[in-house]
Amino acid sequence: DTAVSQTPKYLVTQMGNDKSIKCEQNLGHDTMYWYKQDSKKFLKIMFSYNNKELIINETVPNRFSPKSPDKAHLNLHINSLELGDSAVYFCASRSGGATKNIQYFGAGTRLSVL
Amino acid sequence: AQSVAQPEDQVNVAEGNPLTVKCTYSVSGNPYLFWYVQYPNRGLQFLLKYITGDNLVKGSYGFEAEFNKSQTSFHLKKPSALVSDSALYFCAVRANSGNTPLVFGKGTRLSVIA
Repeated sequence: DTAVSQTPKYLVTQMGNDKSIKCEQNLGHDTMYWYKQDSKKFLKIMFSYNNKELIINETVPNRFSPKSPDKAHLNLHINSLELGDSAVYFCASRSGGATKNIQYFGAGTRLSVL
Repeated sequence: AQSVAQPEDQVNVAEGNPLTVKCTYSVSGNPYLFWYVQYPNRGLQFLLKYITGDNLVKGSYGFEAEFNKSQTSFHLKKPSALVSDSALYFCAVRANSGNTPLVFGKGTRLSVIA
């Protein structure tokens, strides 16, 4: 069973479109994250949610809006896509228990904006 | 502010030789330190962490890392490299308080040559 799963794995779209990426974790973790990895493999946090509440919101354009319907899901909606949004987006989760400092990552969603 | 430096973009090593991937960090207070590995088209996988205690930590796949507070370093090591160790390695740090985010280095590509 996949612990942190993201869909879709690949997303190709035109500039100006709106798209969503879904993330689900079956680990029972309290905290979930979205990261962006650019073409140079630099990895930067975008958002963090703890028990459905936003706790970290880095300097990300307002076009990006995370939504957490429950603590097992953290979806990322992107409005008016731009060329610079092309990247790999990773979802991750972390528990509050004994392994609370370890983040578990999904396989990533490769977004290409044309 | 937290930061991580991985001074080498690429490390090449012959199979069977020892390997070292360097990492230095900057954080206010005591650090939580991590190493993650990323294989092509995959998400990040946790290798090992330092939270407290023994400065030498052992992790998955025979990797280990040594926390050196005076040099603010957390270099990743393995006594005998395998071709299958070839991947992208990320060092990460977070402060040991609150919900501070995990900050990643830019990654070091390790190539193990048969």
